[in-house]
Amino acid sequence: DADVTQTPRNRITKTGKRIMLECSQTKGHDRMYWYRQDPGLGLRLIYYSFDVKDINKGEISDGYSVSRQAQAKFSLSLESAIPNQTALYFCATSDTTGRTGELFFGEGSRLTVL
Amino acid sequence: LAKTTQPISMDSYEGQEVNITCSHNNIATNDYITWYQQFPSQGPRFIIQGYKTKVTNEVASLFIPADRKSSTLSLPRVSLSDTAVYYCLVLYNFNKFYFGSGTKLNVKP
Repeated sequence: DADVTQTPRNRITKTGKRIMLECSQTKGHDRMYWYRQDPGLGLRLIYYSFDVKDINKGEISDGYSVSRQAQAKFSLSLESAIPNQTALYFCATSDTTGRTGELFFGEGSRLTVL
Repeated sequence: LAKTTQPISMDSYEGQEVNITCSHNNIATNDYITWYQQFPSQGPRFIIQGYKTKVTNEVASLFIPADRKSSTLSLPRVSLSDTAVYYCLVLYNFNKFYFGSGTKLNVKP
């Protein structure tokens, strides 16, 4: 099983619908992140969380919200989806115990908003 | 926050050494330099990290000059499977991981 699991892997929805993307991890990491990637472009940081009580906005948080339900779970919500939120979404975790720049990514959730 | 600049794309042939340079002129004292590799429809994968001079692992080498305003990822003897996008990140206190557009490396037979 993957250390960082995202559900759903693929989702097609309509404009105005509420969507939740879920991420769970078994790595025991405190830090979790949500990114989006548009075709041919790099990743952009949406939100990040350093522990259950600490949530921070990234580069492009407008239109998104997050919930850190537990150390191992970090969900991304689109309250009212719009077509330009069609993208590939990645969840990632990182370790805080050492000085490492290593992020561990999930397999991605492909979202299409019609 | 240190901004990074990389070439948009590079071409190479199998068996060659590839060097990808990243510019980060406003890097701060506490910043580390990290490189990632991404294949289509997959999450990025950590390659290497360094602070100064040279770092080498089983996959790549990272060269950082004394002024630290740039860094070079070196991939020895590339193969077709090294075709991917490579990202350079500058990390402050390992807090925020900002990816730029990366360098698309195309390895030809």
